[in-house]
Amino acid sequence: DGGITQSPKYLFRKEGQNVTLSCEQNLNHDAMYWYRQDPGQGLRLIYYSQIVNDFQKGDIAEGYSVSREKKESFPLTVTSAQKNPTAFYLCASSLWGRGAGQPQHFGDGTRLSIL
Amino acid sequence: KNQVEQSPQSLIILEGKNCTLQCNYTVSPFSNLRWYKQDTGRGPVSLTIMTFSENTKSNGRYTATLDADTKQSSLHITASQLSDSASYICVVGVGSQGNLIFGKGTKLSVKP
Repeated sequence: DGGITQSPKYLFRKEGQNVTLSCEQNLNHDAMYWYRQDPGQGLRLIYYSQIVNDFQKGDIAEGYSVSREKKESFPLTVTSAQKNPTAFYLCASSLWGRGAGQPQHFGDGTRLSIL
Repeated sequence: KNQVEQSPQSLIILEGKNCTLQCNYTVSPFSNLRWYKQDTGRGPVSLTIMTFSENTKSNGRYTATLDADTKQSSLHITASQLSDSASYICVVGVGSQGNLIFGKGTKLSVKP
């Protein structure tokens, strides 16, 4: 079955540590996204990539970094500069860029907590 | 400021009953409106996408309506099932760039 796989499902970060969240898709979608979901808030865009080797900052990119070396993969690194990383992180993809009005397909998320 | 407001914040209904969730938006320029269903601990799943010219779109027991004049949308769920218990998120697309504004969601609980 085609879909988006996020791993790990749960992740714990120590003070001063960088952690990387994995996102892989086999839908052959061009665009990929990272969102952060906090209780009682709407999803907020962290980073967006329309094609390989290209990505753009979203609304809350500070303290995060991404890479897009392969079409299928879009890992997110939460750096030590992100002082409040505890949240549910969702990866998504769409067939074309977000301006095309295509539905976004989401993974099942990674829940990140601070130790 | 582009905003999406959903109501009610939470809702409890009995299995088999119908319900309607509301979404009001102040987004310009409007591109499209989406409804997603998110089960607890899972990622959202797309239910419908509507553009400016569409008034109604159905997906099984889910029917979304859009009134672009009043900037309101509703999601009607018919003959609810226990599996409908989830958060329902309204999302509005902005202009040609495709920025998405997410509502905070309505949490629906269907009780037997």
